[in-house]
Amino acid sequence: QQQVKQSPQSLIVQKGGISIINCAYENTAFDYFPWYQQFPGKGPALLIAIRPDVSEKKEGRFTISFNKSAKQFSLHIMDSQPGDSATYFCAARNTGNQFYFGTGTSLTVIP
Amino acid sequence: DSGVTQTPKHLITATGQRVTLRCSPRSGDLSVYWYQQSLDQGLQFLIQYYNGEERAKGNILERFSAQQFPDLHSELNLSSLELGDSALYFCASSSQGTSNQPQHFGDGTRLSIL
Repeated sequence: QQQVKQSPQSLIVQKGGISIINCAYENTAFDYFPWYQQFPGKGPALLIAIRPDVSEKKEGRFTISFNKSAKQFSLHIMDSQPGDSATYFCAARNTGNQFYFGTGTSLTVIP
Repeated sequence: DSGVTQTPKHLITATGQRVTLRCSPRSGDLSVYWYQQSLDQGLQFLIQYYNGEERAKGNILERFSAQQFPDLHSELNLSSLELGDSALYFCASSSQGTSNQPQHFGDGTRLSIL
């Protein structure tokens, strides 16, 4: 059973556009929600993370929106650039320090 | 460069065999995490060690085991290998035991079972 559901599986965006990736979860014991960026041949790299007591967190062009009541969170990439083309994973951690990852979104930004 | 070193980069072996994957965390990091990434299962958390002690356990099979040594490097042992164990295995490290601290991932070991 997938604990964290991520969509879409793939996304194509024009340069300068907004990329939006969504995740949903069921387990209310999750208390930390990171997003990772992964380039081919590399390990995932932490992009941005949020705790459930905050509804939004912004770091540069990357924003996490968190809706605790709906158990959903999303990553917004503003002014998307070709260099942002990568696979993005959302994740959630429970109070037992176990991590659950979404299935990933392959983002392609077209010049 | 994340500072996390994983060896070997590639490993090819046969079913039924046993392999050991090695991870050296970033200098100063006390915590090590192991993950498995496969096409059908995605990225799965296996296990976490903090300063030599097991801290959290995920979807790790009984055929798999890990340990963290006094010098803080870690090894993931996979035994009685099956075709389905073919995957990328990642190690990550963080400074503390709680994972609010950023995890820094290595570039992985690609395991192929023939």
